[in-house]
Amino acid sequence: QSALTQPASVSGSPGQSITISCTGTSSDVGGYNYVSWYQQHPGKAPKLMIYNVSNRPSGVSNRFSGSKSGNTASLTISGLQAEDEADYYCDSYTSSGAYVFGTGTKVTVL
Amino acid sequence: QVQLVQSGTEVKKPGASVKVSCKASEYTFTDYYIHWVRQAPGQGLEWMGWINPKSGGTKYAQKFQDWVTMTRDTSISTAYMALSRLRSDDTAVYYCARDPGGSSPGMDVWGPGTTVTVSS
Repeated sequence: QSALTQPASVSGSPGQSITISCTGTSSDVGGYNYVSWYQQHPGKAPKLMIYNVSNRPSGVSNRFSGSKSGNTASLTISGLQAEDEADYYCDSYTSSGAYVFGTGTKVTVL
Repeated sequence: QVQLVQSGTEVKKPGASVKVSCKASEYTFTDYYIHWVRQAPGQGLEWMGWINPKSGGTKYAQKFQDWVTMTRDTSISTAYMALSRLRSDDTAVYYCARDPGGSSPGMDVWGPGTTVTVSS
């Protein structure tokens, strides 16, 4: 199972919106609404930000939103803040019953 | 509060085995799957597999099929991940994470990670 494809880096100024893509295949992202997004700060464990493509867990800011079109899922961060600077990973359930993570995206707040 | 507590840092020689534990607290252990995820230094997240604590059933990533074993002890709410025939490229932080599964999967609580270093 190959890793899902994410851009290596995305940057934006405070207050702007950015979008991170996560591209897979019809056997994972495109086949199921089981895409999650995780935020990871350096030296810390990942944190769940989005599940089931577009649902936010309790306590996650509504500045984070998710969507999907075909084999590509997206995470949008609105009103970018300094604390959003981190690595972001998508993951997806797959047709084999396994999970696969994305390659990861480093978000930089300029 | 709900948490997963993992065992401490391990240093192993190539060819050895390692067993990492993940103890759950403040929730019903058998109601959530446990995933194991690893992260090599400076690299991304890599999914290794999951265990269903209720049934003991497992699903491993194809890459790890022949050398990872995931088990659990429901009496002490603890999951285990054992990796055999260690190589230097198994040096990584190993995380456990819980997942409600069903129609709303997502790794919503993570352990702090266990650092495993493989070096001669």
